[in-house]
Amino acid sequence: DAGVTQSPTHLIKTRGQHVTLRCSPISGHKSVSWYQQVLGQGPQFIFQYYEKEERGRGNFPDRFSARQFPNYSSELNVNALLLGDSALYLCASSLDSVILGQPQHFGDGTRLSIL
Amino acid sequence: QKEVEQNSGPLSVPEGAIASLNCTYSDRGSQSFFWYRQYSGKSPELIMSIYSNGDKEDGRFTAQLNKASQYVSLLIRDSQPSDSATYLCALGLYGNNRLAFGKGNQVVVIP
Repeated sequence: DAGVTQSPTHLIKTRGQHVTLRCSPISGHKSVSWYQQVLGQGPQFIFQYYEKEERGRGNFPDRFSARQFPNYSSELNVNALLLGDSALYLCASSLDSVILGQPQHFGDGTRLSIL
Repeated sequence: QKEVEQNSGPLSVPEGAIASLNCTYSDRGSQSFFWYRQYSGKSPELIMSIYSNGDKEDGRFTAQLNKASQYVSLLIRDSQPSDSATYLCALGLYGNNRLAFGKGNQVVVIP
């Protein structure tokens, strides 16, 4: 079975632009979470979606938004890009939400560079 | 206080030795704990999950959980050069339905 797939793998944008990152979860997984990882740090939680509903939001500005589609795939949108948004963006899927202790499995990530 | 702390610096171990990693956490309500391995330039890969006090073994890996002392550890027995990576400790937080990660510990296995 395919794992979590993310696209694109790499992206270069300039300040002020907008970006959309995409994620397809493992087949049968209904929960998708997004994380941001900067060099030398652990992933930081951005959003979690379960059954198309937002179940959690991290400490990120309103420039960050996300949604989950009926097929459980997800998009992360970031508006008005800043240099500090340069990071590896990770999508993780799980059978159910974290609250039930389900482990999350990560995709390969999208490396976003802001010039 | 950070939610998850991994304070040790890079850990160098000879091939065949035991690598020991520790992690402390602040949220007493956490019920699920995970160890991820991350190779340079790659995404985190789940290697262990633990939910109850005590030890859990999977191949060369052993996770240990002590909820009273609020720490979780990972032992890697018979360390191999392929174990050289950053190891991330994570816990499941119910209130916000998310994983909280430590900043990771780098392990270097010396042949």
